Amino acid sequence: DIQMTQSPSSLSASVGDRVTITCRASQSINNYLNWYQQRPGKAPNLLIYAASSLQSGVPSRFSGSGSGTDFTLTISSLQPEDLATYSCQQSFTTPYTFGQGTKLEIK
Amino acid sequence: QVQLVQSRAGVKKPGASVMVSCQASGYTFINYGITWVRQAPGQGLEWLGWISAYNGNTNYAQKFRGRLTMTTDTPASTAYMELTSLTSDDTAVYYCAREDYDSSDSYTRYFDSWGQGTLVTVSS
Repeated sequence: DIQMTQSPSSLSASVGDRVTITCRASQSINNYLNWYQQRPGKAPNLLIYAASSLQSGVPSRFSGSGSGTDFTLTISSLQPEDLATYSCQQSFTTPYTFGQGTKLEIK
Repeated sequence: QVQLVQSRAGVKKPGASVMVSCQASGYTFINYGITWVRQAPGQGLEWLGWISAYNGNTNYAQKFRGRLTMTTDTPASTAYMELTSLTSDDTAVYYCAREDYDSSDSYTRYFDSWGQGTLVTVSS
């Protein structure tokens, strides 16, 4: 199975900060990488697919980049409603696997 | 709008089975697959498998083969996930999600709408 490793596992940032979360795959997955946001007690919500494509309805402050084994999710200007856990997921091969999640807190 | 509504939470005894339903609305059911994902308490997301709502083809994670069955009822736009021989390790919130894909690149697949989740607790 492809292992997905995210860093950091948690972080705290202030409103307006630029935030970056990284995700590393145990083997090359081209650009077959998705990002999800999961607010406390809620189901995940798709933010980014195919590494850099913004899902319809998602604010433009969210962006994704990367290819191969290394990927990043960036929030350009953190908002209070971005309090959530963010998870990456590879769709290169089954079983599809997720990162362990990055818990984002607002200072 | 696309909506997936799951069945209610339940408590099961070790060794029992659980079936979770996922009723879809707001889109043409047979045009998308349904994926099932679970999340144990305080843990990350785990993919269980996928079913085509078009022809019923399935792809299960090796870990669950033999005790996992996914089915669909097309007229009712409903997908089902049954997991047997439950242990405490199966205690989790189970989610269904609609799987979309890029028609020009079948590797580009993503889960763009999710059910609200169903908590399954396995306890004696």
